[in-house]
Amino acid sequence: DVKVTQSSRYLVKRTGEKVFLECVQDMDHENMFWYRQDPGLGLRLIYFSYDVKMKEKGDIPEGYSVSREKKERFSLILESASTNQTSMYLCASSSQGAGDTEAFFGQGTRLTVV
Amino acid sequence: AQKVTQAQTEISVVEKEDVTLDCVYETRDTTYYLFWYKQPPSGELVFLIRRNSFDEQNEISGRYSWNFQKSTSSFNFTITASQVVDSAVYFCALSEAYNFNKFYFGSGTKLNVKP
Repeated sequence: DVKVTQSSRYLVKRTGEKVFLECVQDMDHENMFWYRQDPGLGLRLIYFSYDVKMKEKGDIPEGYSVSREKKERFSLILESASTNQTSMYLCASSSQGAGDTEAFFGQGTRLTVV
Repeated sequence: AQKVTQAQTEISVVEKEDVTLDCVYETRDTTYYLFWYKQPPSGELVFLIRRNSFDEQNEISGRYSWNFQKSTSSFNFTITASQVVDSAVYFCALSEAYNFNKFYFGSGTKLNVKP
């Protein structure tokens, strides 16, 4: 059974804290993604990685950074958490192809910044 | 510009009713892929279907069917004889030829199926 696993389902952090969200996939996928999901806005891409140590900004990268030191692991970092980063964060992975591949998602991390 | 539009924010139906979820997309590419995902209350998005731009044939899978019309840039999803377990948020998504590795998602439609 293929899997994308996010380290936490729920997280509460204080404003100004450095926050790490971890994601691991066991499908040997080249691509990994971090999305943010907010009501009425759907899924918005924060960062995308197509290979180890490679990353590309998505639509809303401000306030976030990422790390991909190993193929199976993709970390999202909030350098200094703010209340407007309270959201559901979804990690996904996909194989590189010609469009005939879907993304597989983790169960999501609901982050609350207080 | 919004590449994928799901105008229906929330739909409520009674069990056994048919329901159609709308998806309108925008792209300049002639080669692209369209997807539907289901997000149940547990949170994990589940892949339902993928369709490429050269295949306009409608697809049926059990109670689910999809209608792809390039002329109206739409990829609508119909659930026949809905069930309570169909209650979820449904997302439509697009990937384009110039960057197949990137997905654009709509804002989602929340479907409530009441017993």
